[in-house]
Amino acid sequence: DAKTTQPNSMESNEEEPVHLPCNHSTISGTDYIHWYRQLPSQGPEYVIHGLTSNVNNRMASLAIAEDRKSSTLILHRATLRDAAVYYCILRSYNNNDMRFGAGTRLTVKP
Amino acid sequence: DVKVTQSSRYLVKRTGEKVFLECVQDMDHENMFWYRQDPGLGLRLIYFSYDVKMKEKGDIPEGYSVSREKKERFSLILESASTNQTSMYLCASSLYGQGNQPQHFGDGTRLSIL
Repeated sequence: DAKTTQPNSMESNEEEPVHLPCNHSTISGTDYIHWYRQLPSQGPEYVIHGLTSNVNNRMASLAIAEDRKSSTLILHRATLRDAAVYYCILRSYNNNDMRFGAGTRLTVKP
Repeated sequence: DVKVTQSSRYLVKRTGEKVFLECVQDMDHENMFWYRQDPGLGLRLIYFSYDVKMKEKGDIPEGYSVSREKKERFSLILESASTNQTSMYLCASSLYGQGNQPQHFGDGTRLSIL
C-alpha cells in the first residue's frame, strides 16, 4: 500500500469544525482512502472511505483533492467524544488487511 | 451496527501456556482478521479467514494458529505463549475482502505473558 503522511497532533475547540489532513502523493488509481479512529482503550472504529468523489456520512465528511494526492477528514462540530487518534489509510481493491501508521492525535478542548 | 465481540478485555497468562482468544461477529461477514497492535509498530496482521475452515497467513503468523469452525467465530491460539507475545490483540470482520470494504473491530484483548 502507498504511504500516507499525517500531522502527529492537532487541537480543536468543542463545537468547532475540525479539518484533519492526509497526504498520499504516491496513491494509485485503485487505492481507496479510508479513515479510522481509535479512542483510548478501544479498538479502531471505521469513520469513512472514498475513491474519487467527496463522501458524507453521519460521522464525518471526506474531501478528496482532484489529483487524489491528499484528502481531508472533516468533523463538522467537534465534541469531547471525538478526541482520538485518527488514521488515514490507503487500501488497494484487492488488499485484505489494514496497515495503520502513527495517525493524528486529536485533542478537543471544552 | 456491526458488533465484534472479543471474549476478554484483559488476560494474564504464563510463559509456555496455550492461550485462546475468541472473537464473535454478528453480521454474517465473510472475512475475519486477527491483528496485534504495539506502540511504534502500528497494526500488524497475524491471520485472516475468508470463509469457514479457510485461513491465510498475515505478516506475523509465527507462534500463532487460528480456527474458524463457524462463520461468526474466529479464534486465535498462542500455542506456547512467550513474553514477546504480550500485546493488544484486535479482531476485525468485513463483509468481503476487497479494499473498499470497511473493517469493523472489537475492543481488543490486552494480553500479558509473564
